[in-house]
Amino acid sequence: ETGVTQSPTHLIKTRGQQVTLRCSSQSGHNTVSWYQQALGQGPQFIFQYYREEENGRGNFPPRFSGLQFPNYSSELNVNALELDDSALYLCASSLTGAARINEKLFFGSGTQLSVL
Amino acid sequence: DQQVKQNSPSLSVQEGRISILNCDYTNSMFDYFLWYKKYPAEGPTFLISISSIKDKNEDGRFTVFLNKSAKHLSLHIVPSQPGDSAVYFCAASAEPTQGPGNQFYFGTGTSLTVIP
Repeated sequence: ETGVTQSPTHLIKTRGQQVTLRCSSQSGHNTVSWYQQALGQGPQFIFQYYREEENGRGNFPPRFSGLQFPNYSSELNVNALELDDSALYLCASSLTGAARINEKLFFGSGTQLSVL
Repeated sequence: DQQVKQNSPSLSVQEGRISILNCDYTNSMFDYFLWYKKYPAEGPTFLISISSIKDKNEDGRFTVFLNKSAKHLSLHIVPSQPGDSAVYFCAASAEPTQGPGNQFYFGTGTSLTVIP
């Protein structure tokens, strides 16, 4: 059973550029969630995809977008990067089923994005 | 608006003693709670969960208590070990308004140091 993997591990971009982060879900999972963790803060929910459809979105602007593919891998795209986008971006996969209170998030190690 | 709060940024405990980490929430619709542990350069890993139908859940050295009327939960680690030194996050979820999956809100974390 493979875990959640994210790439790249580190990335440096300049303000105004675009970035794509990638995530491979844990085998058998059908849901992927993306979180932003700024320094000294807890993870903040960006959005979630369930069976390739956006399933909910946090308080992030439209320049944050995502995709989930048929193999349940996922991408997070951020356009027009701003300095405040510098953060650790975490991908989490889970198995969404009948019992909501059994669902647990399994996280990757994250992508550390620095915007200069 | 921080719906999940961990008001103690750090905690130091002697090895073998009890560690108590606290978490408060403001949204009365939250009904499912999880605790995660995070080591540097790694993603958060799941520790223990509790749903609002219970007030206590145990798993080995870890016990989570839920006080719904006070909107408070706590994680007890007994006995504490040096390997428990990490940042601990609590997370909460309510019945989703969109789609079937949980959308978790995280606290800002408590850094636990267990002194040998």
